[in-house]
Amino acid sequence: GAVVSQHPSRVICKSGTSVKIECRSLDFQATTMFWYRQFPKQSLMLMATSNEGSKATYEQGVEKDKFLINHASLTLSTLTVTSAHPEDSSFYICSADRAIIRNYGYTFGSGTRLTVV
Amino acid sequence: AQKITQTQPGMFVQEKEAVTLDCTYDTSDQSYGLFWYKQPSSGEMIFLIYQGSYDEQNATEGRYSLNFQKARKSANLVISASQLGDSAMYFCAMRGSNYQLIWGAGTKLIIKP
Repeated sequence: GAVVSQHPSRVICKSGTSVKIECRSLDFQATTMFWYRQFPKQSLMLMATSNEGSKATYEQGVEKDKFLINHASLTLSTLTVTSAHPEDSSFYICSADRAIIRNYGYTFGSGTRLTVV
Repeated sequence: AQKITQTQPGMFVQEKEAVTLDCTYDTSDQSYGLFWYKQPSSGEMIFLIYQGSYDEQNATEGRYSLNFQKARKSANLVISASQLGDSAMYFCAMRGSNYQLIWGAGTKLIIKP
């Protein structure tokens, strides 16, 4: 089945540094990638939608200069958390739209747990 | 506005019993899709089942079935013969008009041995 590989799974970084999270579709083309943030015991919060070759669309309240999203190819989308601070600590997960598939399911990466110290 | 409501924050169920997780939705769209996902403690999101608004029959996938009542705008997930490995967070979601998923708050299911 279709797989989205997300790396790293866990990262600890110092406050003020930047962290890049990669999501790679291994056996299909992901024209659209959704990036979510999830706080403990809460639901997923959509941060932005990225389409290959164009600028990402950010949800209201999400700082686009802090959360840089690049979707340069049909198989790779990246989220860079710039100048990270402890409040950016969270679980980040990507999801590729596979609308052409029979079950209309979305394929998720395995998530990245970011801790900023 | 489109909205998903899951009213059960947590549920305890005895192993081997069936369990129903509630989900109601609100949308003015005629065409929409409803999803259920499982999220174990590892964090991955596992697709369980999908129901299209025009599907006349309730969706089934192994031990999972979706009790779709369109007039009541409900899409409850039924898990038959629950297993210890079913313990996880369960999210109901709806595909919005711009293909984004709109998520419910989730239900934490704990299966007791």
